[in-house]
Amino acid sequence: EVQLVESGGGLVKPGGSLRLSCATSGFTFSNAWMSWVRQAPGKGLEWVGRVKGKTDGATTDYAAPVKGRFTISRDDSKNTLFLQMNSLTTEDTAVYYCTKGVGIVNYFDYWGQGAPVTVSS
Amino acid sequence: DVQMTQSPSTLSASVGDRVTITCRASRSISTWLAWYQQKPGRAPNLLIYKASSLESGAPSRFSGSGSGTEFTLTISSLQPDDFATYYCQQYDTYLSFGGGTKVEIK
Repeated sequence: EVQLVESGGGLVKPGGSLRLSCATSGFTFSNAWMSWVRQAPGKGLEWVGRVKGKTDGATTDYAAPVKGRFTISRDDSKNTLFLQMNSLTTEDTAVYYCTKGVGIVNYFDYWGQGAPVTVSS
Repeated sequence: DVQMTQSPSTLSASVGDRVTITCRASRSISTWLAWYQQKPGRAPNLLIYKASSLESGAPSRFSGSGSGTEFTLTISSLQPDDFATYYCQQYDTYLSFGGGTKVEIK
């Protein structure tokens, strides 16, 4: 059974940093293209960024609003995905979902339960 | 960037109704489109990929069609479990989502 379990969410002040983790199981994590998708309160879904699988170079891509502030990484030895968020603003308040891509295409067959992040003074 | 526009933003319908949701892309995305269902407090759930392919386990009353810039999600006979918000997502160039369509009880 595929499982994605996020952790690390919480309350952080504007300008602060937070690191989310996504522990996975039930599939070959090292080859999977993994993304983070967020959802602000009462709003729609917004793609944050992705990391490709090991065989595709494990390169990263980011959405414009987070580029230069957020970093996605992976530890294939621990089947875990990370999202390092720096210089947070109130606009980053959202539930952050870890998602598994299907092959090398970018739609998502599995989602985590979500990690809430609140940026507030 | 590819912009995705869904309509309507809210839809009121009754059990048994045929429901159609439209998603338009700002430029051609071939058939690189997925549809998701999301219920309050839950993660989205994949329904359709490659515009018209039904995800394993998704009910057969859901169907998708379209190519290029215009796509539709159809629910052939709305069931009580289908009252939710639906999102389209393009994956032709990076990824982007539509704004969502909330299907409410009439």
